[in-house]
Amino acid sequence: QKEVEQNSGPLSVPEGAIASLNCTYSDRVSQSFFWYRQYSGKSPELIMSIYSNGDKEDGRFTAQLNKASQYVSLLIRDSQPSDSATYLCAGGTSYGKLTFGQGTILTVHP
Amino acid sequence: GAGVSQSPSNKVTEKGKDVELRCDPISGHTALYWYRQSLGQGLEFLIYFQGNSAPDKSGLPSDRFSAERTGGSVSTLTIQRTQQEDSAVYLCASSQGTADEKLFFGSGTQLSVL
Repeated sequence: QKEVEQNSGPLSVPEGAIASLNCTYSDRVSQSFFWYRQYSGKSPELIMSIYSNGDKEDGRFTAQLNKASQYVSLLIRDSQPSDSATYLCAGGTSYGKLTFGQGTILTVHP
Repeated sequence: GAGVSQSPSNKVTEKGKDVELRCDPISGHTALYWYRQSLGQGLEFLIYFQGNSAPDKSGLPSDRFSAERTGGSVSTLTIQRTQQEDSAVYLCASSQGTADEKLFFGSGTQLSVL
């Protein structure tokens, strides 16, 4: 099993819908979790971090962490075409090193 | 500085040449990371610095790759005798260095080996 695995996608949703992105992880990356957004040709940009079980909401974004199931997800409500990007899930170690999943390409169509 | 700065933004080199990539982290960030992203691939960890030391260099793909950091600030990633498979975007990130700290990425160096 890879350390961090994402549902491969690509994912296409209509504008205004909820986009759901999922990620599972192994025991070696279990300290903290992050979602990065990467537009084509650009560097990754942090959009959410989550450290404890449950939900964390920030605007249209909700991150969910379930440590028992080793599962982390990102929900994007009221999706906009500007949300179209690659979303990278990452798990952190005790010293901050991140291990990334392969990414999920999201397209929001008008 | 305001953000992580990398130079050059693009580098084209011939196979067998050496290249140096530079990273200037956010001021005050003690931790610095190098990642590599190949076309269609995820981010691959290369090396981690805490201050000037590199406690984790497990991601360096071969002994042609080396990195150093001086003054707890600027870092240089050196690739000797470049090969075509080294072509990728090399990304530097920095953080305050604790477990829950967020990484901030630079804009990367696009390396093309002909």
